[in-house]
Amino acid sequence: AQSVTQLGSHVSVSEGALVLLRCNYSSSVPPYLFWYVQYPNQGLQLLLKYTTGATLVKGINGFEAEFKKSETSFHLTKPSAHMSDAAEYFCAVRVFGNQFYFGTGTSLTVIP
Amino acid sequence: GAGVSQSPRYKVAKRGQDVALRCDPISGHVSLFWYQQALGQGPEFLTYFQNEAQLDKSGLPSDRFFAERPEGSVSTLKIQRTQQEDSAVYLCASSLGLAGTTGELFFGEGSRLTVL
Repeated sequence: AQSVTQLGSHVSVSEGALVLLRCNYSSSVPPYLFWYVQYPNQGLQLLLKYTTGATLVKGINGFEAEFKKSETSFHLTKPSAHMSDAAEYFCAVRVFGNQFYFGTGTSLTVIP
Repeated sequence: GAGVSQSPRYKVAKRGQDVALRCDPISGHVSLFWYQQALGQGPEFLTYFQNEAQLDKSGLPSDRFFAERPEGSVSTLKIQRTQQEDSAVYLCASSLGLAGTTGELFFGEGSRLTVL
């Protein structure tokens, strides 16, 4: 069975501080991994994805994530938070076929 | 179109009414997905189409939910005899769906359904 766990439903950071949003997955086969961001009253927008190759992937808005197979993790980071980063973040895994599984999301608050 | 378009953006229905939610995917996208997102939750899979074929409808919560994509483009999600627990945002997503692609999903802005 496939699943995605996002630790911490709410994360608060100060503006300029490091952002770390955690994602762990379970999958019986090598997965494709995604991070999406959702702003209020909007759909989900792709931040970055891991498919194969380099395990450190860079996305939009200065975000990056590292695929660690041994830890079954795909944590999202950004060195310096900006007020505009406040949003809901979803980790997702795609396995064989076209089925996507989403985590329950992490709400990021940026404190000025 | 440039992106996935959903309508209506907001729908208020009285309990027992039927509703229809429309999704217009990105042109040329083979795969189309419907998700249900309850307040404070992640998207939950409802159903999936490849062209006009509904390949997976395992996530539809009851037989009151029905989806179609008759010409392999626009899709409609229909909910009959709506109940309060159907209140949620219904997200549509499309992807190229071609073998060998990573298949990331492109989402519409969602249709927020409120059942009174």
